[in-house]
Amino acid sequence: DAMVIQNPRYQVTQFGKPVTLSCSQTLNHNVMYWYQQKSSQAPKLLFHYYDKDFNNEADTPDNFQSRRPNTSFCFLDIRSPGLGDAAMYLCATGSPFAYEQYFGPGTRLTVT
Amino acid sequence: AQSVSQHNHHVILSEAASLELGCNYSYGGTVNLFWYVQYPGQHLQLLLKYFSGDPLVKGIKGFEAEFIKSKFSFNLRKPSVQWSDTAEYFCAVANQAGTALIFGKGTTLSVSS
Repeated sequence: DAMVIQNPRYQVTQFGKPVTLSCSQTLNHNVMYWYQQKSSQAPKLLFHYYDKDFNNEADTPDNFQSRRPNTSFCFLDIRSPGLGDAAMYLCATGSPFAYEQYFGPGTRLTVT
Repeated sequence: AQSVSQHNHHVILSEAASLELGCNYSYGGTVNLFWYVQYPGQHLQLLLKYFSGDPLVKGIKGFEAEFIKSKFSFNLRKPSVQWSDTAEYFCAVANQAGTALIFGKGTTLSVSS
């Protein structure tokens, strides 16, 4: 089945220790998104890639970076995680102007 | 800026009760609207969507939603809920560029058997 896969499902990191979250897709979609979702809050878009073009949301902290080495993979790098970065991180894919997005299961990040 | 409001934070129903979850959006132009569901431990899944045409849209699992442009609303309904409908429900609108979804804060639905 075509899908969006995120690894790991659970990640524990220490305060200030860089961490990378991974997302892959078999849908061959042009667009890949990263969302942050904190408890009882709406998913918040961090950034997205349209093919190789990176689009950062204005209020995404510099601490968050992303890489997309090819169509299938996209990574979220948190350079120096703080306690406030503990959240569920959702990866999604979509086609341009199709609006509908397909979500992965998420990675729950804990910062100790 | 576009925004989405979901009125109910937590809804508790008994099986067979009818459901209506409220959703209002702020943008007055052409909108593309969605309801997503997140079952416990699972990923966000699309329930239904509205792009244009018939304002009453039907989705999976017996859900439907009605787009009322004059009220800026897109409420989700189901005539008779089941225990398996226990989940978090998110209303969303696509931004004007079509590059992102703007989500509401979600409504937790708990259905008791």
